[in-house]
Amino acid sequence: KAGVTQTPRYLIKTRGQQVTLSCSPISGHRSVSWYQQTPGQGLQFLFEYFSETQRNKGNFPGRFSGRQFSNSRSEMNVSTLELGDSALYLCASSFSVGGARYEQYFGPGTRLTVT
Amino acid sequence: QKEVEQNSGPLSVPEGAIASLNCTYSDRGSQSFFWYRQYSGKSPELIMSIYSNGDKEDGRFTAQLNKASQYVSLLIRDSQPSDSATYLCAQETSGSRLTFGEGTQLTVNP
Repeated sequence: KAGVTQTPRYLIKTRGQQVTLSCSPISGHRSVSWYQQTPGQGLQFLFEYFSETQRNKGNFPGRFSGRQFSNSRSEMNVSTLELGDSALYLCASSFSVGGARYEQYFGPGTRLTVT
Repeated sequence: QKEVEQNSGPLSVPEGAIASLNCTYSDRGSQSFFWYRQYSGKSPELIMSIYSNGDKEDGRFTAQLNKASQYVSLLIRDSQPSDSATYLCAQETSGSRLTFGEGTQLTVNP
């Protein structure tokens, strides 16, 4: 099976602009989670979508939003970009390994630089 | 207190040695733990998952979970230079939300 794909891989934006990142999960996976990774804060959970519904949300401002489509592909949007939004944005797709146990597999990430 | 804490690095071991990576957690609610390996400039790669108390072995990797002590560890036997990476401990804390430790940077010296 193909892995998780994310586009674009690299992005440079200016403060105040908005950005949309895309993620295609592994075929058959219905859950998509988004994470932000920075040197200072490490890996932090943004939100999770399952069957087009946001099921879980981390502690990020409302400028960070997302959605999921019927084919499980997901997008996240960041509006009014700030310098501190510069980070590696990772998408993970997950599936059940039995019962309530899930494993998450990460895509290659989108490196966002805000200038 | 952070929910998931990893022993401070960096950790340096000679080739062929056992590398021991440790992680403690504060949330007793979820007992699903994961170890990810992240090479510089790459995304995290899942290498081990553990859900039950005790040991789980996969090749040169052994994950250990001690619920009483709220402690998770990863042992890498016969360490190779290619094992040099940052190792991230993660706990599933709410639904499919993963909470990560800060990571331990491992260097295996030839």
